[in-house]
Amino acid sequence: DARVTQTPRHKVTEMGQEVTMRCQPILGHNTVFWYRQTMMQGLELLAYFRNRAPLDDSGMPKDRFSAEMPDATLATLKIQPSEPRDSAVYFCASASTGTYNEQFFGPGTRLTVL
Amino acid sequence: GDSVTQMEGPVTLSEEAFLTINCTYTATGYPSLFWYVQYPGEGLQLLLKATKADDKGSNKGFEATYRKETTSFHLEKGSVQVSDSAVYFCALSDPNRDDKIIFGKGTRLHILP
Repeated sequence: DARVTQTPRHKVTEMGQEVTMRCQPILGHNTVFWYRQTMMQGLELLAYFRNRAPLDDSGMPKDRFSAEMPDATLATLKIQPSEPRDSAVYFCASASTGTYNEQFFGPGTRLTVL
Repeated sequence: GDSVTQMEGPVTLSEEAFLTINCTYTATGYPSLFWYVQYPGEGLQLLLKATKADDKGSNKGFEATYRKETTSFHLEKGSVQVSDSAVYFCALSDPNRDDKIIFGKGTRLHILP
């Protein structure tokens, strides 16, 4: 049963600390998305990659957020330094081109910045 | 630009009631339409999809028909269960343009036993 995995599932940190979230897309999927979900803003697209190349990161605060795909099996989202307003659930999703853009979501990382 | 509008929640129904969650869209091309569901503490998962006009997507007793003339994709279920309590997202995507999915704001559904 292929699925997207994310680690850690929960993270509590203090303001100013670096946070790294990891995602393993479904094997064979060539597009990876990072979303942030909060009660106030709902679901926001932060960035996405196709074939490991960043295509759109316009939704991401550039001064503190960075997203990379070191290889086809790993995507990372880093926040440095973290702030309380970054508290949210961060989802990774993957998709395969040619499948009507159907996305498969991971379980999310719940981040709390104190 | 493309957009999705869905009815605001929360929607509260009794078990075995009929469910309709309205969704309308604006798109310049010929998008695919989706309903995603998010159960508490989980990520979104695809519930059903329709890729062209007049297609009907169905899954787990839920149905939605792609209506191009009314630009709608309303979600229906004849008899809801407590286990259907979740947040439902209507969404669209135009794979001829880019890889993104445009999501609605979500509708929270509560089913009372």
